[in-house]
Amino acid sequence: QQPVQSPQAVILREGEDAVINCSSSKALYSVHWYRQKHGEAPVFLMILLKGGEQKGHDKISASFNEKKQQSSLYLTASQLSYSGTYFCGTEGAYGGSQGNLIFGKGTKLSVKP
Amino acid sequence: DAGVTQSPTHLIKTRGQHVTLRCSPISGHKSVSWYQQVLGQGPQFIFQYYEKEERGRGNFPDRFSARQFPNYSSELNVNALLLGDSALYLCASSLVPGGWSPLHFGNGTRLTVT
Repeated sequence: QQPVQSPQAVILREGEDAVINCSSSKALYSVHWYRQKHGEAPVFLMILLKGGEQKGHDKISASFNEKKQQSSLYLTASQLSYSGTYFCGTEGAYGGSQGNLIFGKGTKLSVKP
Repeated sequence: DAGVTQSPTHLIKTRGQHVTLRCSPISGHKSVSWYQQVLGQGPQFIFQYYEKEERGRGNFPDRFSARQFPNYSSELNVNALLLGDSALYLCASSLVPGGWSPLHFGNGTRLTVT
């Protein structure tokens, strides 16, 4: 029940925009987004809850379509510091999966000057 | 405030041995989760503990076990180590499990099994 992320990798020039998608086969209560730079721990970016509320980074936006169990992360006017691997983590809406965050395989983003 | 601390940072073990990894959460955080991350992959969920009780377990064999102590710190134990257990083990703490509460990750323990 690992969420599926797309694309697997993307290369941008500074100032360009990117969208990273996350899709799950099960009903979700929340979607979390994290960024991990090489050799570092993942860092929190954004949380989206069932019902449309968001909490997170002021330079990054995201959407959550509860009916389709999909989330998208929008990176606008990319900067060199945006480079890293982006992971979505999904929390199931029912049963014992509540509170447990399951991560996708990640999307590697490279921003070039 | 101190972040999530994990010890040791690096560890080399031989197949068949046992290992204990330790994690201290951010002060005030009562939930601790453990993840295994293989190079090039996303973190794989192993365990979650909240208020000293196991709240979730991922698809890992019984060789993996964990516990949470009254001060909310946690240990991950792995018995009968296999070469495939070589990975970065991440501990993450949060105020409560899931929902609005983001995970704060430690820098991990790099385990190498030879």
